[in-house]
Amino acid sequence: AQTVTQSQPEMSVQEAETVTLSCTYDTSESDYYLFWYKQPPSRQMILVIRQEAYKQQNATENRFSVNFQKAAKSFSLKISDSQLGDAAMYFCAVGMYNNNDMRFGAGTRLTVKP
Amino acid sequence: SAVISQKPSRDICQRGTSLTIQCQVDSQVTMMFWYRQQPGQSLTLIATANQGSEATYESGFVIDKFPISRPNLTFSTLTVSNMSPEDSSIYLCSVTSRAGGELFFGEGSRLTVL
Repeated sequence: AQTVTQSQPEMSVQEAETVTLSCTYDTSESDYYLFWYKQPPSRQMILVIRQEAYKQQNATENRFSVNFQKAAKSFSLKISDSQLGDAAMYFCAVGMYNNNDMRFGAGTRLTVKP
Repeated sequence: SAVISQKPSRDICQRGTSLTIQCQVDSQVTMMFWYRQQPGQSLTLIATANQGSEATYESGFVIDKFPISRPNLTFSTLTVSNMSPEDSSIYLCSVTSRAGGELFFGEGSRLTVL
């Protein structure tokens, strides 16, 4: 089974600044996909961004972008122009096409300072 | 996208009792999953709810403790049986319509066992 590691339990960023959250993973599969999810205090898990492993181009969604390094099995999330509403737990996840199994990292708690 | 309603949103339960959590989706979905999120922890997959057949449980989770039903493509229940304080967690229902697709989550059910 795949494993996901988020080495930063907590991160802090000043409003309007940029922050990068780290994620590494391990899998023996060649076809998989990667996600970043956000969980605010309300508990609702919200998809931030999705990356197909076969795509070399890094995914972007407005202020959110990823740096996907397949050989290094690294999938970091960059948040630009941070806003107070970005404060949340961020989970990195890896999913497989063949069994629909998605594994989550331990999470990074992001604080945004005004 | 899919809208998922979970009931109850939260509950306080006595040791030794059982509680059933309901998950209702606003559209037919192929795959439904149940996750557990212990306090301050990441998400752990309990089982995949299969329509018309027995759920598929992950290592460490058994049917006697977490019986699951899925009578149709829009509804599932998870029962937490013979609860102990260690079962105090958030239980999340999630769905996806295709392999490799985004997981949509309910708001979760927060159980506290005294």
